[in-house]
Amino acid sequence: GNSVTQMEGPVTLSEEAFLTINCTYTATGYPSLFWYVQYPGEGLQLLLKATKADDKGSNKGFEATYRKETTSFHLEKGSVQVSDSAVYFCALSVTQGGSEKLVFGKGTKLTVNP
Amino acid sequence: NAGVTQTPKFQVLKTGQSMTLQCAQDMNHNSMYWYRQDPGMGLRLIYYSASEGTTDKGEVPNGYNVSRLNKREFSLRLESAAPSQTSVYFCASSEWGADTQYFGPGTRLTVL
Repeated sequence: GNSVTQMEGPVTLSEEAFLTINCTYTATGYPSLFWYVQYPGEGLQLLLKATKADDKGSNKGFEATYRKETTSFHLEKGSVQVSDSAVYFCALSVTQGGSEKLVFGKGTKLTVNP
Repeated sequence: NAGVTQTPKFQVLKTGQSMTLQCAQDMNHNSMYWYRQDPGMGLRLIYYSASEGTTDKGEVPNGYNVSRLNKREFSLRLESAAPSQTSVYFCASSEWGADTQYFGPGTRLTVL
């Protein structure tokens, strides 16, 4: 089946620290991979995506590379800010019934302290 | 351009009561989705609608019904609410066949 496993949280960092949130997936075929972010009290927003092996998605200083050989899509940021405090979800897309459906990991809560 | 809107933002029900969660999008998207978000569970798909006039079950459809009223609107109905349906509900939409989904702000539902 299709599934996403991401590192358990919560993760607490100091401002300007390096961030890695691990994500691995199991899928049939070649799905697109996503990171979504949920700020407190809000819905999910797309942070970045990659559609094929070795693609790198990037946005707002965050990066993730689609690694087919390790079935991974780890999220990284070189220097986090307090405003990055949020819950981060890794997801993959599955085509079914004419729709592209998303399968989500359980989410990782990040808190960045000043 | 409001994107995806949901009403209400908050709701408290008693066990056995019914209610309908409303969702509308103004992006002319064909596909729409309902998810529930529970602590430690991520988001799970309840129902989806690939296009106007079609609906299909997702991962956790039991206890819910949906209506794709038109291209813009997709409602989720709880006929007889149970405490296990206490959750945050998100609606999302996407272009037909596209993999990026756009989410609403959510409805926080508590069933006592």
